Amino acid sequence: NAGVTQTPKFQVLKTGQSMTLQCAQDMNHEYMSWYRQDPGMGLRLIHYSVGAGITDQGEVPNGYNVSRSTTEDFPLRLLSAAPSQTSVYFCASSPLLRRTPYEQYFGPGTRLTVT
Amino acid sequence: GQQVMQIPQYQHVQEGEDFTTYCNSSTTLSNIQWYKQRPGGHPVFLIQLVKSGEVKKQKRLTFQFGEAKKNSSLHITATQTTDVGTYFCARNNQGGKLIFGQGTELSVKP
Repeated sequence: NAGVTQTPKFQVLKTGQSMTLQCAQDMNHEYMSWYRQDPGMGLRLIHYSVGAGITDQGEVPNGYNVSRSTTEDFPLRLLSAAPSQTSVYFCASSPLLRRTPYEQYFGPGTRLTVT
Repeated sequence: GQQVMQIPQYQHVQEGEDFTTYCNSSTTLSNIQWYKQRPGGHPVFLIQLVKSGEVKKQKRLTFQFGEAKKNSSLHITATQTTDVGTYFCARNNQGGKLIFGQGTELSVKP
């Protein structure tokens, strides 16, 4: 099993550009999520999904869109990149235990710089 | 949203010393998870605590869940350089949101 994979590993964008960060998992996990990590801020939840066709907002959803058309994939779209979105982005997946996320498996991260 | 506060933000210890990080909530937690992130790496799940007063051990790591289920701690006995990294707690909020604390960054001087 590859676990959770993320592409690209690194990306540089200009302000106003759009892009999609890819995330895929091969563990048949129902729950998937996106976090951003900034120095001193910990991991902040952007969006999450409890199953195909279901998505919801996390703590910091503005400027980001997600979709979950399959169990395996959970792409994160930046609509119009801003310097404030410079960060490391982690995708994670987990099984649901009594409808709550259990052990999170994280991908290796995407380091995004917006100039 | 419902947060978890972690203290301290940074801890520098001499190898062999003990280390503790604390996770506090103003509201009752259904459960608490702990993760470790090595420098340059991604977070890795350590444990989940569910029961009031629960204590679990993993080798030199001891995890506790408070009686009121509003706080938790991670204690490392006799730290080693391999313990270096950032330790996060995370709480499950209603609806499936898993919210992380700010983390405690541990450095160990050999």
